Amino acid sequence: GAGVSQSPRYKVAKRGQDVALRCDPISGHVSLFWYQQALGQGPEFLTYFQNEAQLDKSGLPSDRFFAERPEGSVSTLKIQRTQQEDSAVYLCASSTTGQGEAFFGQGTRLTVV
Amino acid sequence: AQSVTQLDSQVPVFEEAPVELRCNYSSSVSVYLFWYVQYPNQGLQLLLKYLSGSTLVKGINGFEAEFNKSQTSFHLRKPSVHISDTAEYFCAVRGYQGGKLIFGQGTELSVKP
Repeated sequence: GAGVSQSPRYKVAKRGQDVALRCDPISGHVSLFWYQQALGQGPEFLTYFQNEAQLDKSGLPSDRFFAERPEGSVSTLKIQRTQQEDSAVYLCASSTTGQGEAFFGQGTRLTVV
Repeated sequence: AQSVTQLDSQVPVFEEAPVELRCNYSSSVSVYLFWYVQYPNQGLQLLLKYLSGSTLVKGINGFEAEFNKSQTSFHLRKPSVHISDTAEYFCAVRGYQGGKLIFGQGTELSVKP
């Protein structure tokens, strides 16, 4: 595709509900990153994939957060038993390699009520 | 460990005036430096980057930044701003080996007529 695509753009979840956020990277991009951006803050790193391998998950805030990229292309970020503090914009970025320029999607705004 | 500090959370400026957005970083290893812009409800767009070479870097939309290693700074400047420059600006660093970006808290640039 022309750019990084994220879906849904907006998600409202009731506290305790599970959610899944999807990221379609630019075709051929090996590296994929997830970031969490709380209101009024800069993005914070969550996790990083190179192809299907999750090389760094040090930013995942708890074991309720899980990410996968089974075929080295589309990635899903799953949040189980959502809490109010999970409300944020979740940004996905992809690059040709881990050292290449990162291209960001428009993000998914998650609101937990 | 790396960190980024953006010294101004908000910068109001009149149209056609010059502007400087300040960024300082801390790192125990050599890093690459980036400035991103985020328009409302959008993802991040790369404005410019410093990888090596000349310490004065020119980017899109008339922006430029100067890398100062001794002061560990990477301030963003534009000689004459437009209303359309109103947005959130993020400074970021990344290690030479690639991987995650570390972002500052952001500076909200508000250009008034």
